[in-house]
Amino acid sequence: QVQLQESGPGLVKPSETLSLTCDVSGYSISGGYYWGWIRQSPGKGLQWIGSIFHSGFTYYNPSLQSRVSISIDTSKNQFSLKLTSLTAADTAIYYCARRSGTYGWFDSWGQGTLVTVSS
Amino acid sequence: DIVMTQSPESLTVSLGERATINCKSSQSVLFGANNQNFLAWYQQKPGQPPKLLIYWASTRVSGVPDRFSGGGSGTNFTLTISSLQAEDVALYHCQQYYRSPYTFGQGTNLEI
Repeated sequence: QVQLQESGPGLVKPSETLSLTCDVSGYSISGGYYWGWIRQSPGKGLQWIGSIFHSGFTYYNPSLQSRVSISIDTSKNQFSLKLTSLTAADTAIYYCARRSGTYGWFDSWGQGTLVTVSS
Repeated sequence: DIVMTQSPESLTVSLGERATINCKSSQSVLFGANNQNFLAWYQQKPGQPPKLLIYWASTRVSGVPDRFSGGGSGTNFTLTISSLQAEDVALYHCQQYYRSPYTFGQGTNLEI
């Protein structure tokens, strides 16, 4: 059974860059599927940030595209998120998740990590 | 972007009663080539990540109780819990995967 676990700082200053990593266990990240990041702001709905395939192919939410980068390290069985120029609006719980192989539902999720943007 | 709108925002239902959550998309998510609706439902309990319940608008994930059912087509969808149990208290989300960017509804808070 696949398991995902996010890691990274819980507090980041405005204008800085957020870096998060998702460790995947129970499944080889090279075995297929897309992998993605989704966030949930306090009191708001879920927002898809972007996804990556094991080949390194990425696609992002256009609303964040200028600030986001997702990368993958198959040797470590993990993928990562970078989000630049942070503001308070980026405060959220960040989830990593596995996307269905062919279609866009998310069938496995990490527990999530709360990121607060504040000076 | 396809905007997903859920109603109601909050719903209180008695144990054993039926609960119905609505989800409306700003454009059709029905793909003509395979006649499938690109719509999923998730359940999120407090302090937990979302859990996939239903995809293709009406296909239950293995292990999900059959009191959960999804219906609708095109732009209007429903999630129905036929007989509410205490463990069903949660936040429910719909999501379209017809077109990127994938988008979610704002969530419906289901209480007893």
